[in-house]
Amino acid sequence: QLQLRESGPGLMQPSETLSLTCTVSGGSISDSRYYWGWIRQPPGKGLDWIGNIYYDGRTYSNLSLKSRVRISVDTSKNQFSLRLTSVTAADTAVYYCARQAGHYDYHDYWGQGILVTVSS
Amino acid sequence: QSVLTQPPSVSAAPGQKVTISCSGSTSNIGNKYVSWYQQFPGAAPKLLIYEDYKRPSGIPDRFSGSKSDTSATLDITGLQTGDEADYYCGTWDNSLSAEVFGGGTEVTVL
Repeated sequence: QLQLRESGPGLMQPSETLSLTCTVSGGSISDSRYYWGWIRQPPGKGLDWIGNIYYDGRTYSNLSLKSRVRISVDTSKNQFSLRLTSVTAADTAVYYCARQAGHYDYHDYWGQGILVTVSS
Repeated sequence: QSVLTQPPSVSAAPGQKVTISCSGSTSNIGNKYVSWYQQFPGAAPKLLIYEDYKRPSGIPDRFSGSKSDTSATLDITGLQTGDEADYYCGTWDNSLSAEVFGGGTEVTVL
């Protein structure tokens, strides 16, 4: 059974850089059928797509965040990562990693999520 | 303000049916597949419906999806107390070059 798990800091200061990693187990991140994505959910609000990455390194990010977002993949570790610069309180959210059936497609497996709070 | 519009809440008695609508445009629902997710408090979303109407293995046929023009619908029949959750629609938006979601609909079993 495929499993994804997010890891990273739970509390950050404004202007810092957020770094999260998603570790995939039970399957290969190099499987050419899938993309690997990041989605976030502010407390009490809906889902926001951050971006996704293919095993070969091709990345796609939400234009609203693009200048601050970097998504990378490490196939040797079966991990992919999210880096978000200059965080503010508006970036406080639960961050999920998920497998995506294609660049434009649905998310069929999700991590449990990690709450990241930005506060001074 | 979400790109896809869902009603904030719907409710019905046990055993009844609820319908959740998801309204979009030609840049998203009108030309891309729609998926639906179920989310319980404190948990990650779970895929319920993909490619407009298909159900992943293990999802009961009480959950069904459909689409017409620029709107999609999720029906839940034989409503159970365990169906109380938030439901989100999602799809790709060609104009935004991004995946977009509805604002979510809370289902309450009366």
